[in-house]
Amino acid sequence: DAGVIQSPRHEVTEMGQEVTLRCKPISGHDYLFWYRQTMMRGLELLIYFNNNVPIDDSGMPEDRFSAKMPNASFSTLKIQPSEPRDSAVYFCASSNQGAYQPQHFGDGTRLSIL
Amino acid sequence: DQQVKQNSPSLSVQEGRISILNCDYTNSMFDYFLWYKKYPAEGPTFLISISSIKDKNEDGRFTVFLNKSAKHLSLHIVPSQPGDSAVYFCAAINQAGTALIFGKGTTLSVSS
Repeated sequence: DAGVIQSPRHEVTEMGQEVTLRCKPISGHDYLFWYRQTMMRGLELLIYFNNNVPIDDSGMPEDRFSAKMPNASFSTLKIQPSEPRDSAVYFCASSNQGAYQPQHFGDGTRLSIL
Repeated sequence: DQQVKQNSPSLSVQEGRISILNCDYTNSMFDYFLWYKKYPAEGPTFLISISSIKDKNEDGRFTVFLNKSAKHLSLHIVPSQPGDSAVYFCAAINQAGTALIFGKGTTLSVSS
């Protein structure tokens, strides 16, 4: 079975540009999570969806960040405009029936904002 | 205000010996804990979990111990193998039961 698929794997762009990260969760999973990993703060939850509906976006750092899940098989995380401090590894994860079930992570997108 | 803390950034162990990775948490309401393992350039993968109604859970070479009074859990790997070299994250389910709170991770190096 295919796992969580994220694209692109690497993104390098200049400050001020729009960045879109993509995620395809495991088929049948009803929860989708976006995380950010930095040296300073470790793995932080940004937002999560249940049945395509955003439930908690309290981890989204500021209005420049937005996430959507238009259907059960696709989600995007967008940063507009991007800033150097957004440089991090962004992970998407999905699970069946919430946090008490193990989350399956994608391999991440390494984002560098110059 | 980190709610899940892994105070040792790194640990080095010889092959065949025991590896003990530690984790502390601050919120006594947390009732479920998980360990994830992460290799470079890959996402974290689930390793083992424990509910607060237990004090021990074992899966092969991996055992997690929970001390609720001390708000402390530990992951034991016996015997350690070079393939165990990875970053290990401790996580707790938040009070709402909806999401994971991760520690910053401990890098384990197992030498042969």
